Amino acid sequence: DTAVSQTPKYLVTQMGNDKSIKCEQNLGHDTMYWYKQDSKKFLKIMFSYNNKELIINETVPNRFSPKSPDKAHLNLHINSLELGDSAVYFCASRSTGASTDTQYFGPGTRLTVL
Amino acid sequence: DAKTTQPNSMESNEEEPVHLPCNHSTISGTDYIHWYRQLPSQGPEYVIHGLTSNVNNRMASLAIAEDRKSSTLILHRATLRDAAVYYCILRGSQGNLIFGKGTKLSVKP
Repeated sequence: DTAVSQTPKYLVTQMGNDKSIKCEQNLGHDTMYWYKQDSKKFLKIMFSYNNKELIINETVPNRFSPKSPDKAHLNLHINSLELGDSAVYFCASRSTGASTDTQYFGPGTRLTVL
Repeated sequence: DAKTTQPNSMESNEEEPVHLPCNHSTISGTDYIHWYRQLPSQGPEYVIHGLTSNVNNRMASLAIAEDRKSSTLILHRATLRDAAVYYCILRGSQGNLIFGKGTKLSVKP
């Protein structure tokens, strides 16, 4: 029944490694997002996809590459991990309609780079 | 992108109403005002949103000033489970949420 799910919930890895975070939504939404919450708890948009097409790509290093195999999935691949990548990453999907405009967030993936 | 200003923190007693203020003086005419909250160790969750008129739902009420430069989120009876960071948000041009620092609400029993 989970609306937006992310795996893994925790990810601990060494500097220089490559890792992926997966996100899936079963809400039928067309738009999905990745947000990053740093150690100061500040949440910032990273990417947005609409129906598998990239529509937002904020100033994020090229080491971060989102992939959307279908509109229910938006994965995040990170190459050559750095200490500063340690953060909580949230996936979200958005529903829009005549009277709704709501984003549903996943539980987050806490990434720790050692 | 328009920005919002909120107090860093507020305290409330359980069972009492809470009024969380937000200033958004640069809001444009078509910007909706959104409120989300983030409970400890969880992702943000939607609370309420509105354009001009006051709005009510099962979670809260949203009072919007006539000039739309400020709004107030009202929790009618705070519970311990309402302790969270509350974000007043204006969306970006592509629908993304632009988060500020939010207001950390503490609820005392």
